[in-house]
Amino acid sequence: SQELEQSPQSLIVQEGKNLTINCTSSKTLYGLYWYKQKYGEGLIFLMMLQKGGEEKSHEKITAKLDEKKQQSSLHITASQPSHAGIYLCGADSSGSARQLTFGSGTQLTVLP
Amino acid sequence: NAGVTQTPKFQVLKTGQSMTLQCAQDMNHEYMSWYRQDPGMGLRLIHYSVGAGITDQGEVPNGYNVSRSTTEDFPLRLLSAAPSQTSVYFCASSYGVSANSPLHFGNGTRLTVT
Repeated sequence: SQELEQSPQSLIVQEGKNLTINCTSSKTLYGLYWYKQKYGEGLIFLMMLQKGGEEKSHEKITAKLDEKKQQSSLHITASQPSHAGIYLCGADSSGSARQLTFGSGTQLTVLP
Repeated sequence: NAGVTQTPKFQVLKTGQSMTLQCAQDMNHEYMSWYRQDPGMGLRLIHYSVGAGITDQGEVPNGYNVSRSTTEDFPLRLLSAAPSQTSVYFCASSYGVSANSPLHFGNGTRLTVT
């Protein structure tokens, strides 16, 4: 079965700093999804990447999928307290998206 | 639209008790699924459904039953609760099953089995 490894497991940054979260797969990815979770709440969809080399941005968050489609990174520019939460990557290794696998998450704390 | 609604938000059970976690979506999504989230283990798929009347097992189906009698509802049943089922349960849905259809999640049910 596919495994997704996220790094780091936790991250504490000062407001205004840039940061990167990585997600590495043991298999080729058909689709890679980034979600954000706040404590006690569900997961909020951020972005989806499908093509090798693809890069997407939304506000100050940029996600990339490498050419070999086995690693993705999530980059936050000029972090704000509102970025705090748990970031999870989810992956589809079957092409049908019926059984997504998720990483264990990266806990982000942004200090004001 | 309410999106994906899960009830209850919190539940405490004793070992051996049974209960049903409710999940409803009002987006006319074909695909629905149940995940459990445990510390350090991410989300693991329990069961999923690609349409009314169709269900299938995920990664960790033992101890759980599901049914899909309508498009809107996808309840998860614990027949005989065990402490190992203490977890946060998330229901999710999507319009289709292709990689272009991201999952929409409910806010979760926190279950404790004593």
